[in-house]
Amino acid sequence: NAGVTQTPKFQVLKTGQSMTLQCAQDMNHNSMYWYRQDPGMGLRLIYYSASEGTTDKGEVPNGYNVSRLNKREFSLRLESAAPSQTSVYFCASSLLTGPSYEQYFGPGTRLTVT
Amino acid sequence: QKEVEQDPGPLSVPEGAIVSLNCTYSNSAFQYFMWYRQYSRKGPELLMYTYSSGNKEDGRFTAQVDKSSKYISLFIRDSQPSDSATYLCAMSGDSNYQLIWGAGTKLIIKP
Repeated sequence: NAGVTQTPKFQVLKTGQSMTLQCAQDMNHNSMYWYRQDPGMGLRLIYYSASEGTTDKGEVPNGYNVSRLNKREFSLRLESAAPSQTSVYFCASSLLTGPSYEQYFGPGTRLTVT
Repeated sequence: QKEVEQDPGPLSVPEGAIVSLNCTYSNSAFQYFMWYRQYSRKGPELLMYTYSSGNKEDGRFTAQVDKSSKYISLFIRDSQPSDSATYLCAMSGDSNYQLIWGAGTKLIIKP
């Protein structure tokens, strides 16, 4: 099992460009999450999907959109990148459709917006 | 004020020492308390979790929750260089999907 995979691993964008971060899990998990991690800030939830077909905003959703393409895949889109979106982005998944303390994380995407 | 406070460190100790990592929080509704470990340039992985108050032990690791003081701790006995990582606390309530995370403490175990 690959667990949670993310592509790309690194990306540099210019202000105003768009891109989609891809995430896939092969553990048959129901819930999936997108976080960003900034120095001194901890992990902050951008969006989550409690089950296939549903998505909800987290703590910092502005400037992002998501798509739960199927049970395995959950993508994060930046429509018009800004320097404030420079961060490390993590996708995670959990088995339960509900509050879940056990989340499995991907390796992250390091995004720089210039 | 952040909901969860965690000293960012770095905390540097010699191999074999007992390590104490801590978080304080302000939301009394939190019931689930987790410790995740994150190696450099990797995603976090769950180390331990505790529901409500009390202690939980797993090998060299002990998690402790004191809800009256809104304080949680992770103890590492006989620390090893392989324990060098950033340790993140996280917590949530009974009906909330969102984990609230501390900023993480960077731990360095010197051989």
